[in-house]
Amino acid sequence: DAGVIQSPRHEVTEMGQEVTLRCKPISGHNSLFWYRQTMMRGLELLIYFNNNVPIDDSGMPEDRFSAKMPNASFSTLKIQPSEPRDSAVYFCASHLSSYNEQFFGPGTRLTVL
Amino acid sequence: TQLLEQSPQFLSIQEGENLTVYCNSSSVFSSLQWYRQEPGEGPVLLVTVVTGGEVKKLKRLTFQFGDARKDSSLHITAAQPGDTGLYLCAGGDYKLSFGAGTTVTVRA
Repeated sequence: DAGVIQSPRHEVTEMGQEVTLRCKPISGHNSLFWYRQTMMRGLELLIYFNNNVPIDDSGMPEDRFSAKMPNASFSTLKIQPSEPRDSAVYFCASHLSSYNEQFFGPGTRLTVL
Repeated sequence: TQLLEQSPQFLSIQEGENLTVYCNSSSVFSSLQWYRQEPGEGPVLLVTVVTGGEVKKLKRLTFQFGDARKDSSLHITAAQPGDTGLYLCAGGDYKLSFGAGTTVTVRA
């Protein structure tokens, strides 16, 4: 199994630009999570999906952030417009709903100038 | 949100020494997980503990879940440079809460 796949691995953009992060979960996993990691705040859950349906988006910082999961094998996290304080490493994780062990992707390091 | 506090925040030891990392909460958890994260990578699950008082061993790593299921510890015996990384504890039923982590550096 290829594991959770994220793209891009690195993204540098200017303030105000739209950023789209992508994730392919492990095949057969029906829950997907988006996290953000910074030195100051650690690993924070932004949103999670179960069977492609958003279950809890209470961690999404503001309306500039949105996430979709159009099918079981793909999800996006979009930031529009981006701001320097959005700079962080964004992780996607997936798991089987019967267990709570989560499998993380390698992350996308986002830098907003 | 259930809060998990990890200590110490940083730990630097010489190869061959032992170390212990702690994870504490005021909340009861049905299970608790330990992850290790290396630079530039995502966290990787090491172990899940479920039963109060449970002890699990993974080679030189020993994990313990407190009797009241509010705390856990990770003990590494004879640490090696390959053990260097950020150790995270996480708890929760479906939505995990992560501690801030302990950065462990093992010097050769």
